Amino acid sequence: AQSVSQHNHHVILSEAASLELGCNYSYGGTVNLFWYVQYPGQHLQLLLKYFSGDPLVKGIKGFEAEFIKSKFSFNLRKPSVQWSDTAEYFCAVKALSSARQLTFGSGTQLTVLP
Amino acid sequence: GAGVSQSPSNKVTEKGKDVELRCDPISGHTALYWYRQSLGQGLEFLIYFQGNSAPDKSGLPSDRFSAERTGGSVSTLTIQRTQQEDSAVYLCASSLGSLSSEAFFGQGTRLTVV
Repeated sequence: AQSVSQHNHHVILSEAASLELGCNYSYGGTVNLFWYVQYPGQHLQLLLKYFSGDPLVKGIKGFEAEFIKSKFSFNLRKPSVQWSDTAEYFCAVKALSSARQLTFGSGTQLTVLP
Repeated sequence: GAGVSQSPSNKVTEKGKDVELRCDPISGHTALYWYRQSLGQGLEFLIYFQGNSAPDKSGLPSDRFSAERTGGSVSTLTIQRTQQEDSAVYLCASSLGSLSSEAFFGQGTRLTVV
């Protein structure tokens, strides 16, 4: 079964700092990859996704992620964070096999200081 | 409907009682997921329904947990003889069910077992 590892549990940054959140997955086959965000008091929503093609994907609010197949990684980046980016971020993987459940990492809480 | 709807939004129950949590997926979505989110934890997969296929129940933590999906639409997650460790936010998500489709989440049901 697939698994997802997010290395950082809590990240604290000042506004305008650059962000990179790590995500690694374990599955040898073809996968779809996702980053979801949960703002305080709100439901989970999709930030960006990778299905195929260009391994550098761009999402909403200036976020991007790069799929590096050889490293089984899908790290999330943003060049300059804002206070409004304070939220919890979840990486998720869906294996394109018989078991198509969506598996999530443990999440990274990002706090951006004004 | 416009989004995934879950009810109730909050539920407080006494230890040992049974509870039912409801999820109304987005119309036309054939895939439905249940997750559990505990404080400080990630999203724990519980069960996955895809069309008329047998559900993937591999994430259900004990035989006190069960779920059904009637008519390929509404789903009910039932927890029998609730325990305090069942306290969590229970999230439902739905997707189109194709290989490359994102999951849309509801607001969740916050269950508190006292």
